[in-house]
Amino acid sequence: QKEVEQDPGPLSVPEGAIVSLNCTYSNSAFQYFMWYRQYSRKGPELLMYTYSSGNKEDGRFTAQVDKSSKYISLFIRDSQPSDSATYLCAMKGTGGFKTIFGAGTRLFVKA
Amino acid sequence: GAVVSQHPSRVICKSGTSVKIECRSLDFQATTMFWYRQFPKQSLMLMATSNEGSKATYEQGVEKDKFLINHASLTLSTLTVTSAHPEDSSFYICSARESPGTSGSTDTQYFGPGTRLTVL
Repeated sequence: QKEVEQDPGPLSVPEGAIVSLNCTYSNSAFQYFMWYRQYSRKGPELLMYTYSSGNKEDGRFTAQVDKSSKYISLFIRDSQPSDSATYLCAMKGTGGFKTIFGAGTRLFVKA
Repeated sequence: GAVVSQHPSRVICKSGTSVKIECRSLDFQATTMFWYRQFPKQSLMLMATSNEGSKATYEQGVEKDKFLINHASLTLSTLTVTSAHPEDSSFYICSARESPGTSGSTDTQYFGPGTRLTVL
């Protein structure tokens, strides 16, 4: 079993839809949870960063962490064609733990 | 926000030559830098972790003599692909993590824009 599971998609939605992206994980030591967005042929850029459980909102993006279920989500409201990209979840524990990345979900938002 | 630059963005070279890729943290100090490789439509594959002033730690299956990593300062790490072959063609991405104790540090990795290497 992988430490982090993420459905690679692709996920195709119409413009304006609410998008839900998810990851599950197995290591209860993870404390930091990140979402990165990667456009084709570009490096990943940090979108959201959350410590421990709870919700965090930034504009159209909301990150949720449920440590009891070992499940994290990224919601995108009013999705736009410019949101079309690959979204990678990532997580790590405290101290010198490596950051573990999910496989990435490819999202297509159709105009 | 934290910015990581990578140079060059694209390189094409002949088989057998060596290629050096630079990774710089522009507005923060990075004790630790990471080098990843990414194949088309696949996720990031960690190659090695480098700490400033010490030898890099390579992931299993990554040849340390082929992928030379130097992290000579808190803002610069280099990856040299020695005697490159067509199978080394890939997208190489570095990332940098802010030094612990840095004011406002989130212990998060920030990625460079990547270097596309094509070996003919």
